[in-house]
Amino acid sequence: QQQVKQSPQSLIVQKGGISIINCAYENTAFDYFPWYQQFPGKGPALLIAIRPDVSEKKEGRFTISFNKSAKQFSLHIMDSQPGDSATYFCAASRISSGSARQLTFGSGTQLTVLP
Amino acid sequence: GAVVSQHPSRVICKSGTSVKIECRSLDFQATTMFWYRQFPKQSLMLMATSNEGSKATYEQGVEKDKFLINHASLTLSTLTVTSAHPEDSSFYICSASFQGISYEQYFGPGTRLTVT
Repeated sequence: QQQVKQSPQSLIVQKGGISIINCAYENTAFDYFPWYQQFPGKGPALLIAIRPDVSEKKEGRFTISFNKSAKQFSLHIMDSQPGDSATYFCAASRISSGSARQLTFGSGTQLTVLP
Repeated sequence: GAVVSQHPSRVICKSGTSVKIECRSLDFQATTMFWYRQFPKQSLMLMATSNEGSKATYEQGVEKDKFLINHASLTLSTLTVTSAHPEDSSFYICSASFQGISYEQYFGPGTRLTVT
């Protein structure tokens, strides 16, 4: 119930292409879904996030699509660039005991954008 | 805004010694701080959650006597790895949040611990 399943494990796209990463969850207590980008040796950085009352959110080249009934959400990176090459993590957030919000991370997707 | 720092960024220590990692929220007061561990090419695993002024809550399987967490102020949390062993070598990442205002956790840059 705590897991967030992420696919694919790795993804290679050509420059200018669309990168799509998918995530699924089971626990309906999750109510906030951020995506993080992590470069080697660095901490994760928030990319974009969505709440379940919205089906899509777009920020620049990054779009989250959210399907509440299917408990699935995905990240689309339009016009992918070599600088987008990084590991991407989806996550799901919920209130845990003691009122602190906890994140559960997906397993990560290693994205490589070829020049 | 919402900057979190960690110190040191890298540390090498000998087996059996203890090492302390600091996590600071630089421009906001963090009521809650989180400590994660990340092995190469793997995801972040939550180790513990700490609220300022109270004891940390450890995730199942994390030894509280080995990974000592102190959250003494609203801007500082420390993780001490006691009697470190090579299997403790990992990338340790902290994050901070301010309850009531933001859903977000703001992550530090991580600390690479190598135990020889």
